[in-house]
Amino acid sequence: QSVLTQPPSVSAAPGQKVTISCSGSSSSIGNNYVCWYQQLPGTAPKLLIYDINKRPSGIPDRFSGSKSGTSATLGITGLQTGDEADYYCGTWDSSLSAWVFGGGTKLTVL
Amino acid sequence: QVQLVESGGGVVQPGRSLRLSCAASGFTFSTYAMHWVRQAPGKGLEWVAVLSNDGSKKYYADSVKGRFTISRDNSKNTLYLQMNSLRAEDTAMYYCAKGGAALGDYWGQGTLVTVSS
Repeated sequence: QSVLTQPPSVSAAPGQKVTISCSGSSSSIGNNYVCWYQQLPGTAPKLLIYDINKRPSGIPDRFSGSKSGTSATLGITGLQTGDEADYYCGTWDSSLSAWVFGGGTKLTVL
Repeated sequence: QVQLVESGGGVVQPGRSLRLSCAASGFTFSTYAMHWVRQAPGKGLEWVAVLSNDGSKKYYADSVKGRFTISRDNSKNTLYLQMNSLRAEDTAMYYCAKGGAALGDYWGQGTLVTVSS
């Protein structure tokens, strides 16, 4: 049981938009920055979003992040088949003194 | 460019020990916290431990506390994970990840640890 809750799967058609939610608590998302990661099959995770809505160099602006209270959301627009991957949210939990990840969401581009 | 290369994985019997290494290059290693993250086969990401840039602060996941020790040698640009009293549930791909503004702006390719008799 993950400290952060994500939907197990989402799907959408190419070119469409999808959002992935991540629910936490006041000690995790509520008071710390949120990161989002993309993991393509058989590869290491890649940082997509940090500090709620910042993108590392090379990450297209089709990927965006937001936060409201104790929840965060990853948005992906202009979906491509290459976006099919597992997506994870993560943050520091001040009560646990530990980094925590969501359980992951599998994105299918139909 | 930034590179993180893990090594030291393998097959080990339950109760035995293993030490993982992560060789870093392409950035000033001594100025960044470093993390270990693992992923059991077919499962999600699980954070393992973090060590501050100077080695003074370290935090562990409850699942490994008291059994695993994270350390670093800034003169060798290398991060370590000493894993003792290994259990079957420790079987996973182990990644090292660079800290800083975020956990994991760079990740290694991982090293596989299999705990089995």
